[in-house]
Amino acid sequence: QVQLVQSGTEVMKPGASVKVSCKASGYTFTTYGITWVRQAPGQGLEWMGWISAYSGNTKYAQKLQGRVTLTTDTSTSTAYMEVRSLISDDTAVYYCARGARDSAGSAYWWWGQGTLVTVSS
Amino acid sequence: EIVLTQSPGTLSLSPGERATLSCRASQSVSSSYLAWYQQKPGQAPRVLIYGASSRATGIPDRFSGSGSGTDFTLTISRLEPEDFAVYYCQQYGSSPPITFGQGTRLEIK
Repeated sequence: QVQLVQSGTEVMKPGASVKVSCKASGYTFTTYGITWVRQAPGQGLEWMGWISAYSGNTKYAQKLQGRVTLTTDTSTSTAYMEVRSLISDDTAVYYCARGARDSAGSAYWWWGQGTLVTVSS
Repeated sequence: EIVLTQSPGTLSLSPGERATLSCRASQSVSSSYLAWYQQKPGQAPRVLIYGASSRATGIPDRFSGSGSGTDFTLTISRLEPEDFAVYYCQQYGSSPPITFGQGTRLEIK
C-alpha cells in the first residue's frame, strides 16, 4: 500500500532554513509527482508546490517562489521540501501528498502524517 | 488564480440529518477538476470526492458531490457521528496554483 512518511517536528529560529523529508513506499516512486501543502495553526490548506519524481520538473506557488525548493532522491524514494529565510508566518504543519497521476493538477489520495515546523525566536 | 469560497463557515446539525456544503469558484473550474476533503483534528486531509462527483475508494455512499462550472456541492445524506469534521474543496484544473477553499466546519448541534 502507498505510504508517505515524513520527518519529525522542527523548531527553527527566524531567518534559518528547514528541510522536511517525505519517504515514499508501496509504489514506483518515479511514476508520480509529490505535492507539498501546509496548514498554519487553526487555518486552511495552502498549496506550496509540486515536483515530478520522474523528470524533476517543479511548479511553485508564486507567493513562495524563491524561498522554497523541492527536490527528490530517486535512490531512496524520498522527496524533500526546503524553506529558507523562515519567518513566524511559516509556522505550520507541512504535508507531502500524492495524486493519482503525474501532474501538478491532481486530487491528493495519499498524504504524509504531517511535520510541524515552528518558527520562534 | 481561482478563488474558492465555501459556505457556510460553520454548519450545526444533528446525527441523521442531511448536510449540504457549498463551494463557489471565482471562475469556471475546467473539466470539473474539483475535489472535496474531510479533515479531523490532528489528521491529514482525506479525499472524499474527485472530478466533482466521483467518490474516492472506500468512501461511503452517503457522501455525494455535484456541480460544474463555478458552483459545486458536497452532500452528506444522513450524518453519522464520525462525519463531524472540517471539509475543504480544492480545484486542480488550473495549475499552478492549486487552490483550496477556506473550509466548512460541520459541528454537532
